[in-house]
Amino acid sequence: AQSVAQPEDQVNVAEGNPLTVKCTYSVSGNPYLFWYVQYPNRGLQFLLKYITGDNLVKGSYGFEAEFNKSQTSFHLKKPSALVSDSALYFCAVRDTGGGNKLTFGTGTQLKVEL
Amino acid sequence: EADIYQTPRYLVIGTGKKITLECSQTMGHDKMYWYQQDPGMELHLIHYSYGVNSTEKGDLSSESTVSRIRTEHFPLTLESARPSHTSQYLCASSEPDRANEKLFFGSGTQLSVL
Repeated sequence: AQSVAQPEDQVNVAEGNPLTVKCTYSVSGNPYLFWYVQYPNRGLQFLLKYITGDNLVKGSYGFEAEFNKSQTSFHLKKPSALVSDSALYFCAVRDTGGGNKLTFGTGTQLKVEL
Repeated sequence: EADIYQTPRYLVIGTGKKITLECSQTMGHDKMYWYQQDPGMELHLIHYSYGVNSTEKGDLSSESTVSRIRTEHFPLTLESARPSHTSQYLCASSEPDRANEKLFFGSGTQLSVL
């Protein structure tokens, strides 16, 4: 069975500082990994994905994520946070050997303050 | 910008009523999904479809039912709504035969059953 863990319910960052939102995963095969963002009263929006290749993936709005196979992690990062980045962030995984279902983490609320 | 639409955006109804949540997409995607999400919580897959006349139950047991008579339309029905059905329902779609492809989400329907 595949699973995703987001150990932090909330992350607080000052604007202009770097941010990290943590994600670890468990799959039986190779993972496809995704980050989605949800703004208040909105559906989820795709940020970025890791399929294969370069471990550092760049996505929308200046976000990037680093795939670390040995640590089974896929942490989301941004060098300089903006207040407008405040939202709920979900990590998701799809097992390449396990069909098409996507498993989401519990979400991390990011709050960026002035 | 995702071309996937959900109506209504908000719905408040009494116990015992039959309701249908609408979801339509104009992208020609074969795969469509319904997720249930409580406020600030993880997403749970309740139904999915890989094409016309294909429907499957997801990971979370749900009393709702779905149908897929047309590619673009994937409505969800509750025959008799109860307060325990109060939640946000998110519809999504993805491109066919590409396990690594991203999901496009609608804005969701916030359902409140009194």
